[in-house]
Amino acid sequence: EIVLTQSPGTLSLSPGERATLSCRASQSVSSSYLAWYQQKPGQAPRLLIYGASSRATGIPDRFSGSGSGTDFTLTISRLEPEDFAVYYCQQYGSSTLFGPGTKVDIK
Amino acid sequence: QVTLRESGPALVKPTQTLTLTCTFSGFSLSTSGMCVSWIRQPPGKALEWLARIDWDDDKYYSTSLKTRLTISKDTSKNQVVLTMTNMDPVDTATYYCARNRYYYDSSGYFVVSAFDIWGQGTMVTVSS
Repeated sequence: EIVLTQSPGTLSLSPGERATLSCRASQSVSSSYLAWYQQKPGQAPRLLIYGASSRATGIPDRFSGSGSGTDFTLTISRLEPEDFAVYYCQQYGSSTLFGPGTKVDIK
Repeated sequence: QVTLRESGPALVKPTQTLTLTCTFSGFSLSTSGMCVSWIRQPPGKALEWLARIDWDDDKYYSTSLKTRLTISKDTSKNQVVLTMTNMDPVDTATYYCARNRYYYDSSGYFVVSAFDIWGQGTMVTVSS
């Protein structure tokens, strides 16, 4: 069974800085089935990226996804105050698996 | 506008069966390609996918919880129901339902999407 690992566990940055979040799979994942979500306290997750690199509807272009095989990256080019949250990667398809999450907090 | 809303008991006792209902609007589960999933999140922990039901009544379950879960749909009521048997305090979590759907990708394959719309979640506590 595939295992998703996210790093770092916590990323402490200032507004305006660049955030780079990693998601690593224990075996190769089709890029078509890799997504990223943002979750703020008390809220449901929000889809940011699907198919490893396609932005979901309404997602600002400061969010970008890349990667293939076992290594995937979510990049936030310049952090806005509303971007401080927890981010999950997900492998989806006939079964679905989420990573443990990366918390992006204010330095 | 697509919306989903979870409902069910806030408190269940250990060994009891939990029944949750996801009521949705803005799409129909009788439409080809539509799917609804259940996902849960224990307090302070990560998301865990539980089950999915497709428009054609195909069902998929988490390997680790398969023996305890049943997912079903009532297309006329726009509802998806999840039952989980033998509840335990470790099942305390916020339970979400979410929509995904099949679509044709650039290569012409009919592939399933990520979860594009989520309900707000319902918190379930398991305690005697």
